[in-house]
Amino acid sequence: KNQVEQSPQSLIILEGKNCTLQCNYTVSPFSNLRWYKQDTGRGPVSLTIMTFSENTKSNGRYTATLDADTKQSSLHITASQLSDSASYICVVSAGSGYALNFGKGTSLLVTP
Amino acid sequence: DADVTQTPRNRITKTGKRIMLECSQTKGHDRMYWYRQDPGLGLQLIYYSFDVKDINKGEISDGYSVSRQAQAKFSLSLESAIPNQTALYFCATSGPGLAGYNEQFFGPGTRLTVL
Repeated sequence: KNQVEQSPQSLIILEGKNCTLQCNYTVSPFSNLRWYKQDTGRGPVSLTIMTFSENTKSNGRYTATLDADTKQSSLHITASQLSDSASYICVVSAGSGYALNFGKGTSLLVTP
Repeated sequence: DADVTQTPRNRITKTGKRIMLECSQTKGHDRMYWYRQDPGLGLQLIYYSFDVKDINKGEISDGYSVSRQAQAKFSLSLESAIPNQTALYFCATSGPGLAGYNEQFFGPGTRLTVL
């Protein structure tokens, strides 16, 4: 069964600090991996997308990495801001890419 | 988010009532999806449609039905709502996004409470 596991479930950090969120998956055949940011009460918004051949992808202060051999991905947030407080969801596509497998998300709270 | 709109944004109803959630998009995408999100769980696919004449069941379609009235409109119906259908419902479309890859664009969500 295709699964996407994220850790930690929740995280609290001080403004300005860095943090790293983890995603492990057992999706096959792998197509691509995406990280989404979901603000409270809003729909998820795409941050990055990586295919099998990509190891890292950045979007501003967000940097995602992918190790397709170990089936692990991480999302690193640099110099966190209060607006980074949100749920971060790892999503892995299988096969042709339209079938998405969602992680449960990591809830991040950035405090002043 | 403004490209994909959902109505209503919030709805409280009673067990046994018929409910329709509506979704409209201005992105021109053929593919549309309905998901539900429960606290502490990942999004689960209810139904998806690749064009007006193509409707497919997702992981959790029981108790739900959909209608694709036009390329831009995709409605989700709960024929007889039950309390465990209380959840946050998202509509999404898919098409070219980051760096040309297909990605999904989500609406703002509809919070449904069934008493």
